[in-house]
Amino acid sequence: AQSVAQPEDQVNVAEGNPLTVKCTYSVSGNPYLFWYVQYPNRGLQFLLKYITGDNLVKGSYGFEAEFNKSQTSFHLKKPSALVSDSALYFCAVRDGLTGGGNKLTFGTGTQLKVEL
Amino acid sequence: ETGVTQSPTHLIKTRGQQVTLRCSSQSGHNTVSWYQQALGQGPQFIFQYYREEENGRGNFPPRFSGLQFPNYSSELNVNALELDDSALYLCASSFGTAGTGELFFGEGSRLTVL
Repeated sequence: AQSVAQPEDQVNVAEGNPLTVKCTYSVSGNPYLFWYVQYPNRGLQFLLKYITGDNLVKGSYGFEAEFNKSQTSFHLKKPSALVSDSALYFCAVRDGLTGGGNKLTFGTGTQLKVEL
Repeated sequence: ETGVTQSPTHLIKTRGQQVTLRCSSQSGHNTVSWYQQALGQGPQFIFQYYREEENGRGNFPPRFSGLQFPNYSSELNVNALELDDSALYLCASSFGTAGTGELFFGEGSRLTVL
């Protein structure tokens, strides 16, 4: 069974400072990893993904994430946070070994709050 | 704008009733997935439809069922509603079933069961 852990319910950061939102995962085969963002009363928006290749992936709005196989982690990062980045962030995983198409397992989410 | 539209946006039902939620996928997408997001939780996979057939299911009972139509739009039906079915129901469309592409989510249908 696949699972995702987001250990922090909330992350607070000052605008202009770097931010990190943590994610660890568990799958049987090679992981397909995703980050999505959710604004209040809205659906989820795709930020970035890791399927294979370079461990550092870059995505939308200046976000990036680093895949670390030995630590089974896929932390989301941004060098300089903006107030408009404040939202709920979800990490998700799919087991690349088994079938199941678009069955993603999501974490419980991390609320990011960026303050002036 | 993602192009995935869901209806209705909000609805209230009573326990035991039945509900149908609708989803129009983004142009060019042939796969639709449905997720349930309870308050304060991450989305949970219900099932996926590809070529008008269910192609993958999560840990949900049979009273959760669906359809996909030739134009790739989809319905989620829930029978015998329970209080715990209160949640935001999200539809996501994509192309194919390889699972390597991003999902495009609608804004959801918020169901309240009283």
